[in-house]
Amino acid sequence: QVQLVESGGGVVQPGRSLRLSCAASGFSFSTYAMHWVRQAPGKGLEWVAVISYEENNTEYADSVKGRFTISRDNSKNTLFLQMNSLRPEDSAVYFCARDPSLVVGGRGLDSWGQGTLVTVSS
Amino acid sequence: DIQMTQSPSSLSASVGDRVTITCRASQSISNSLNWYQQKPGKAPKLLIYATSTFQRGVPSRFSGSGSGTDFTLSISSLQPEDFATYYCQQTYTSPYTFGQGTKLEIK
Repeated sequence: QVQLVESGGGVVQPGRSLRLSCAASGFSFSTYAMHWVRQAPGKGLEWVAVISYEENNTEYADSVKGRFTISRDNSKNTLFLQMNSLRPEDSAVYFCARDPSLVVGGRGLDSWGQGTLVTVSS
Repeated sequence: DIQMTQSPSSLSASVGDRVTITCRASQSISNSLNWYQQKPGKAPKLLIYATSTFQRGVPSRFSGSGSGTDFTLSISSLQPEDFATYYCQQTYTSPYTFGQGTKLEIK
């Protein structure tokens, strides 16, 4: 059974950093690209970042480029999102999601974690 | 960036109704369009990928169509569990943008 469990969220002051983790189980993590998607309270979904299964290709939303870094540790079946220079507008529930396609998103994001809440506030 | 625009933003319907949600891309995305369902406090659930292919376990009352810039999600006979918010997402090119969502409510 596929399971994705996010952690690391919390309350942080503007300008500070936070690292989110997503622990994967029930599938061969190292063979899947992985995404982060966020949702501000009461708002819609916003795609954040993707990392290829081999870790050698990453892409980011313009809103986080240069501040956030997506990475993974395939030996530990874990996905990360390092968030630096946080802003109040980064406050959201952050979901990790699995991408089953060889071409990014070609088969959608088929499994999602429950999300972890990040609140950026002074 | 490719902008995805859904219509309507909200929709009231009754059990048994047929409903259609539209998603328009700001440029051609071929068939790289996915649909998700989200219920309050829950993670999104993939319904349809590549415009019209069902994710495993999705009821056949859901269907997707379109190509290029215009896409639709249809639900042929609404069931109580279908009342939720629906999002489209393009995966043609990064950034892989979502539509703003369509909230389907019970009339």
